[in-house]
Amino acid sequence: SAVISQKPSRDICQRGTSLTIQCQVDSQVTMMFWYRQQPGQSLTLIATANQGSEATYESGFVIDKFPISRPNLTFSTLTVSNMSPEDSSIYLCSVEVQEGQPQHFGDGTRLSIL
Amino acid sequence: AQSVTQLDSQVPVFEEAPVELRCNYSSSVSVYLFWYVQYPNQGLQLLLKYLSGSTLVESINGFEAEFNKSQTSFHLRKPSVHISDTAEYFCAVKQSGGSYIPTFGRGTSLIVHP
Repeated sequence: SAVISQKPSRDICQRGTSLTIQCQVDSQVTMMFWYRQQPGQSLTLIATANQGSEATYESGFVIDKFPISRPNLTFSTLTVSNMSPEDSSIYLCSVEVQEGQPQHFGDGTRLSIL
Repeated sequence: AQSVTQLDSQVPVFEEAPVELRCNYSSSVSVYLFWYVQYPNQGLQLLLKYLSGSTLVESINGFEAEFNKSQTSFHLRKPSVHISDTAEYFCAVKQSGGSYIPTFGRGTSLIVHP
């Protein structure tokens, strides 16, 4: 398993601003993932972040809106840019510790935009 | 591609009663199956997994799930629930044998009443 620390745990932001969410893992992992969970809904994958390469974005998500960094095997950031109320959601970091094994999740960042 | 259907969005039950949360999936390839639990204001925690072998898998807190290939189901059961089991439960499926992205169901909210 892995211990995943996500910061901040929650934030309230103004429309038009940007927020960077950090994800720190206690072991080296190849694959890290960023998900969005809108109120009362399931998880939607935003992108897969692999160290040494650009993130791979899912349909409906673009790098300009959700830039991702992956500087090493234990850390990643997701930025939510130019936020609007529609971006209010829970953002979850996830890792795959071993190929084929289930993903492990951080506690999430609960984001509200006014 | 895979899909997951959690038939019940909400399941209310009294404490110490049995419960079953239903999960059906569709896939043209071999799959791994998972149940995750999300307590309020937390991320997702892996509850149990089916990778291979025995079709009946158990968690440390009394939940069990049975992989039924013919019915493409992976229902979650517990013979006697506690108040502390109140949470959101997500079924997930992913292609076996490699680092594939899982598909999550919409979630079932288990509400245990005293």
